[in-house]
Parts: sequence; structure tokens; C-alpha cells
Amino acid sequence: SYELAQPPSVSVSPGQTASITCSGDKLGDRYTCWYQQKPGQSPVLVIYQDTKRPSGIPERFSGSNSGNTATLTISGTQAMDEADYYCQAWDSSTVVFGGGTKLTVL
Amino acid sequence: QVRLQESGPGLVKPSQTLSLTCSVSGGSIASGNYYWSWIRQPAGKGLEWIGRIYTSGNTDYNPSLKSRVSISLDTSKNQLSLKLSSVTAADTAVYFCARRSSPSSGHGMDVWGQGTTVTVSS
Repeated sequence: SYELAQPPSVSVSPGQTASITCSGDKLGDRYTCWYQQKPGQSPVLVIYQDTKRPSGIPERFSGSNSGNTATLTISGTQAMDEADYYCQAWDSSTVVFGGGTKLTVL
Repeated sequence: QVRLQESGPGLVKPSQTLSLTCSVSGGSIASGNYYWSWIRQPAGKGLEWIGRIYTSGNTDYNPSLKSRVSISLDTSKNQLSLKLSSVTAADTAVYFCARRSSPSSGHGMDVWGQGTTVTVSS
């Protein structure tokens, strides 16, 4: 089965750039999505098709995907961005999530 | 604007079948080219995709759960349902339903319910 690996945690200072990685075999050959989940809330889609932002998602969120790694980048990170982030890809017709990364803004 | 609301028993006994529904408002579950998914999340852990059903009725399941899972659409009630058989404590989790609003490749699940907590215990 296909697996996606994320670092358990990432820390960033307010105003700085946060990068969260997601690794998988030849992940760059597949589309990747990213979700943000705050405590007690449902996940929110922040990136789809590797680089696209849904309506209402701030421009500071961006994505890339190449080789074996997809990256979610948050520029000018704000305190409100502190959350868990999950990458997601497809393995044939099934959906696969990464283990999640806790982003701490301090 | 479409909204999803999960419901079902909060407590299920081991070896029994977990049954949940996801009520859809603001749109018809039978129209459009949508994928409807169930996802779960044990307390303090990550997301696990359970399976999905397309508007046409075609289904795909997580291979690790496939032998125990059934997802269906009830167009008369505008609901999505999940059945998970032979549950154990490992099935204790918050269960979410979600919609992928575009069938095109690479589109994620952009509408989520608030989730419902299911505990498996005798």
C-alpha cells in the first residue's frame, strides 16, 4: 500500500515562513492535497492539485510537488495558522493521508 | 451552500455493526458528479480514509477495512450511510463525512461534516 510520511511537528516564529513536507514514492507523479485541522474542528482543504488554493484560503498558503516530496508553504505565518496539517494523495482509486504535522507558531 | 451532518449511536458494543448516516442539506445527493467519503480519526491521532461512493453508486474502500465496510446513498432521504461490521475498540474514533465537489483528478474533499464520536465498548 502507498504511504505518505510527514514530520510530526514543525515550529515557526510569527511572520516567518513555515514549510511542511510530505514524502512518498514518486509522489511528484501524483496530485497532492493539503488539509488544515484546528483542535475540535473538521479538516479544511487548503491546497488541491498540488498548488491550487480553494476560494477563501489566504494567499500565504502555497504548495509544490516534485520528485518524492510535496511541500506546503505558509508565508508570513500567523498565530491563527497553528494547527495540524495533513497531506493527501491517491493510490489508484483509494485515498491516502499522511500522518499529520503539528505546526506550532511561537 | 451544502452542509453535511453526521449522526448515529455514540456507543457500539464490540462485534456489532456500526451504522452512521450523513444528512446532506443545501443540495441533492443524487445530482452532480460528486465523491462522498467517510473518514475517521481516533482521539489524538491522524485521519484515516474509510471509503467513498460516487454519485453513480460506484464505491471504493480502504483495503485495510474493505472486508467490513459498506457505503451507500439513500437518495430518498438525501443521506449517505456507513456500515462497519465486527467492530472492536480500535474502531473508536470521530467519524466524518466529506464531499469532493469535482470528479477531476487532484481535487480534494472541500466540504466536511462536523464529525460524530463513536465509542466501541461493552
